[in-house]
Amino acid sequence: QLQLQESGPGLVKPSETLSLTCTVSGGSISSSSYYWGWIRQPPGTGLEWIGSLYYSGSTYYNPSLKSRVTISVDTSKNQFSLKLTSVTAADTAVYYCARVVRVVYGMDVWGQGTTVTVSS
Amino acid sequence: DIQMTQSPSTLSASVGDRVTITCRASQSISSWLAWYQQKPGKAPKLLIYKALSLESGVPSRFSGSGSGTEFTLTISSLQPDDFATYYCQQFNSFSATFGQGTKVEIK
Repeated sequence: QLQLQESGPGLVKPSETLSLTCTVSGGSISSSSYYWGWIRQPPGTGLEWIGSLYYSGSTYYNPSLKSRVTISVDTSKNQFSLKLTSVTAADTAVYYCARVVRVVYGMDVWGQGTTVTVSS
Repeated sequence: DIQMTQSPSTLSASVGDRVTITCRASQSISSWLAWYQQKPGKAPKLLIYKALSLESGVPSRFSGSGSGTEFTLTISSLQPDDFATYYCQQFNSFSATFGQGTKVEIK
């Protein structure tokens, strides 16, 4: 069945760029029925949607993060990626990738999450 | 931006209780609302999509209702496995905001 796996550095220095990749296995990222999203969860708090993209490269972002976020896709590798610039301690969180069904039907498959700490 | 407000933030209940969680949107989102269950250290699990459609494999004691700006998640008879945090999420106009969460605790 479809699986998602996040990967990337677990420690990022303040003011630098956080970069994560989500690898999709057991299915194609190029399916017309799905979008793909990034979500984060700071320690002890709730979920925050970061942004979503379609395999064509079309994206939409959380307005509160839009100026610092880029989400991109590599269909040849069945992967999509997150870049978050100018990070601070407030960006410390568990970062999840997920599949979005038909844009509006919910996120039905999630990665296990990866912890990213912003610290010098 | 569309804001999502859940209530209550915390709920204490016993096994067998009927539990209702409310989610309100700052503007109409039609029926584009999902509900998730999250347990500590785990990724969220989709329970309900399109406000009232039960995700495959989810027990029928979970149900969703509402449209426009007010939505509810109901657990008809709370089971030990249901103690967790629940989140709503709206999908409208190419945004996907979560509510702040409702923790269901053992009374």
